[in-house]
Amino acid sequence: AQKVTQAQTEISVVEKEDVTLDCVYETRDTTYYLFWYKQPPSGELVFLIRRNSFDEQNEISGRYSWNFQKSTSSFNFTITASQVVDSAVYFCALSGGFQGAQKLVFGQGTRLTINP
Amino acid sequence: DGGITQSPKYLFRKEGQNVTLSCEQNLNHDAMYWYRQDPGQGLRLIYYSQIVNDFQKGDIAEGYSVSREKKESFPLTVTSAQKNPTAFYLCASRHPGMWVNEQFFGPGTRLTVL
Repeated sequence: AQKVTQAQTEISVVEKEDVTLDCVYETRDTTYYLFWYKQPPSGELVFLIRRNSFDEQNEISGRYSWNFQKSTSSFNFTITASQVVDSAVYFCALSGGFQGAQKLVFGQGTRLTINP
Repeated sequence: DGGITQSPKYLFRKEGQNVTLSCEQNLNHDAMYWYRQDPGQGLRLIYYSQIVNDFQKGDIAEGYSVSREKKESFPLTVTSAQKNPTAFYLCASRHPGMWVNEQFFGPGTRLTVL
């Protein structure tokens, strides 16, 4: 069975601080995909990144960066110099295989609050 | 603009009534999904469809039904058999290909049973 664990239920930091959101996953698939989504107060999920199991390169996009480590089954997300607009619930998700419905399994989410 | 629309944004239902949530997409995606989100929890899959006239149960399909008569539309009916229907419902779509692609989500419908 596949499982995603986001142990941090809520995080609160002051603006401009760096913050890391943890994601640990479990899967028996050798090929799988990991995702991060942002859910602002409006409710709609916004796609942030996809990473496949063959690519362990870290990725940076502006203030956002992702650290994928297969050895520890983790896919952590760091926001550098956080801003109030980063306040949202962030979800890590997992999908297995090339074919099929490629259903997503979500973690429980981390509520991030950036205080001015 | 391409995207996914869900209506209504808020929905109130009396106990014992069936209610249908709308989901429409103009992204030309083959696959569509329905998720349920409860407060403080992640999303759980209700039903999904990979092609017109075909759909499969997800992890929590009991008390729900769907149809997929058109590529663009994937309505979800919450029946009176659903014991605790109050939740936030999200529809998503994905363009299937050899490589897994991300799912795109609609704005959601918040259902409250009175």
